[in-house]
Amino acid sequence: RKEVEQDPGPFNVPEGATVAFNCTYSNSASQSFFWYRQDCRKEPKLLMSVYSSGNEDGRFTAQLNRASQYISLLIRDSKLSDSATYLCVVDGGATNKLIFGTGTLLAVQP
Amino acid sequence: GAGVSQSPSNKVTEKGKDVELRCDPISGHTALYWYRQSLGQGLEFLIYFQGNSAPDKSGLPSDRFSAERTGGSVSTLTIQRTQQEDSAVYLCASSLRLAGGDEQYFGPGTRLTVT
Repeated sequence: RKEVEQDPGPFNVPEGATVAFNCTYSNSASQSFFWYRQDCRKEPKLLMSVYSSGNEDGRFTAQLNRASQYISLLIRDSKLSDSATYLCVVDGGATNKLIFGTGTLLAVQP
Repeated sequence: GAGVSQSPSNKVTEKGKDVELRCDPISGHTALYWYRQSLGQGLEFLIYFQGNSAPDKSGLPSDRFSAERTGGSVSTLTIQRTQQEDSAVYLCASSLRLAGGDEQYFGPGTRLTVT
């Protein structure tokens, strides 16, 4: 089983749609969770951290379910500029490394 | 301020040659990471450095790969006797300290092509 698993997509959605990405992780000792965004042929950049209580940043909402070892990202009112690969990232527990999922590709269509 | 920089941005080399990739982390960041990303794949952890501690080399795929970090700042990733399967984008990242909760800032990467 992969340490971090994501649906690779692609998710093709029209502008204005709401889209949700899911991610599961295998290490119950993980304490830190993130969503990174990676544009085509660019480096990953932090989109948002994920907190136990859930958190929102504008159109983006992240949720964490520790019991199920599941993380989600919800994007409301999708924009063309949201088109990118979204990486689910989890710390490696005692290893102090970040483990990156392979990413979910989002394509927002006009 | 200045972000993470990497050089060269692109490198084409012949199979069997050695290559050196350089990373300049953000000033004051004590942790430095190397990853590689093959086309359409996720990030593969290679190695990280934290201050003066021994680096975690657990992700290096073979003994042809090595890395150094001089003076707690600049890092060099060396690949000896390159193979075609080494072709990938090599990404460097730094963070303020070594802790899972710290955001990692990535450089633009070095695209390595082994012919």
